[in-house]
Amino acid sequence: KQEVTQIPAALSVPEGENLVLNCSFTDSAIYNLQWFRQDPGKGLTSLLLIQSSQREQTSGRLNASLDKSSGRSTLYIAASQPGDSATYLCAVGNQAGTALIFGKGTTLSVSS
Amino acid sequence: NAGVTQTPKFRILKIGQSMTLQCAQDMNHNYMYWYRQDPGMGLKLIYYSVGAGITDKGEVPNGYNVSRSTTEDFPLRLELAAPSQTSVYFCASSSRDNYGYTFGSGTRLTVV
Repeated sequence: KQEVTQIPAALSVPEGENLVLNCSFTDSAIYNLQWFRQDPGKGLTSLLLIQSSQREQTSGRLNASLDKSSGRSTLYIAASQPGDSATYLCAVGNQAGTALIFGKGTTLSVSS
Repeated sequence: NAGVTQTPKFRILKIGQSMTLQCAQDMNHNYMYWYRQDPGMGLKLIYYSVGAGITDKGEVPNGYNVSRSTTEDFPLRLELAAPSQTSVYFCASSSRDNYGYTFGSGTRLTVV
């Protein structure tokens, strides 16, 4: 059974700092991996999707990497801003057409 | 606006009552999902559907039922509500390859 773990559960950083959020998964035979953002009391917004054949994806200040062999993904946020404060969730798709399996998330707080 | 619409946003039920959570999407996605999110936990899959007339159980289906009569709609039925069903419920839709994974804003349900 695929399990997704995110460490740390919470992270506080000052504005401007670069930071890395970690995600690990137990079964390396994944189809794809997504990072989502969730603001308090809101739904989830997809940030980046990495297919199993890809090593990384970039969008603006965000960069997500994928190492299937080690069962790890990282989300790198450059020059963090208070508006980046949210919970970030990692989710793994085991096969095409199957639902995503989510980690519990990392709650990020960026102080000005 | 294109996306996933969930109703109601909030609901309080008494133990033993029943209700239907509505979900509709206008992106012509074949894949639709129901998740529940409990405090400090990740999202757990309740049911999913790969197209009209096809549904399947997820990780935590007990106490719930679904139907998918059209591509657009995927209602979730709670029969005989229990306090353990107090949670935030999210509906989502996607393409087969998990592109365009879109979440609704959620329904916060309390069973007392």
